[in-house]
Amino acid sequence: GQQLNQSPQSMFIQEGEDVSMNCTSSSIFNTWLWYKQDPGEGPVLLIALYKAGELTSNGRLTAQFGITRKDSFLNISASIPSDVGIYFCAGPSDDKIIFGKGTRLHILP
Amino acid sequence: DTGVSQDPRHKITKRGQNVTFRCDPISEHNRLYWYRQTLGQGPEFLTYFQNEAQLEKSRLLSDRFSAERPKGSFSTLEIQRTEQGDSAMYLCASSSPKSWEQFFGPGTRLTVL
Repeated sequence: GQQLNQSPQSMFIQEGEDVSMNCTSSSIFNTWLWYKQDPGEGPVLLIALYKAGELTSNGRLTAQFGITRKDSFLNISASIPSDVGIYFCAGPSDDKIIFGKGTRLHILP
Repeated sequence: DTGVSQDPRHKITKRGQNVTFRCDPISEHNRLYWYRQTLGQGPEFLTYFQNEAQLEKSRLLSDRFSAERPKGSFSTLEIQRTEQGDSAMYLCASSSPKSWEQFFGPGTRLTVL
């Protein structure tokens, strides 16, 4: 079945740094979703992408739908402590959504 | 706030007991999804409903698991004869029929002793 591979698995950064993470698939997706999950909570939808090449921002977050339709990227600018969490990419497969394993973001004090 | 709600937030049970979780979706959403999430993994699809009809079930949903959405509004997920391997976060999400944007509840954390 389809799988989403997220990279890196975890990141350790200083507050104020920019962050980049990506998600790749062996097959084409028509929609990419990015979620953030805090400990003990459900995932929260950050950005949805619908067209190849699309670049969409949500505050300090920017996500891009790769032109091959097999990848997507999420950038966070000027990270702050509340950015800590796990970031998941997701995409539709048949009638359901599949998720990557996440990128865990840590901010060093 | 009229987001997705789940009850209870936490459940501790002994192996062999039955448990039931409830999900109330966003009111105008007619699609409702159940996921299971274990440590270090993303949410894994279990089943989904469109209105009251259960349209797809994952192979992860063994015969000890049953989900219902009798009136097309709230849904329940029951696990019978719980096993330690059932310990996980159970997430519910809802969406409108024309969108892939799913909105999640806070989850129910199940611990089976």
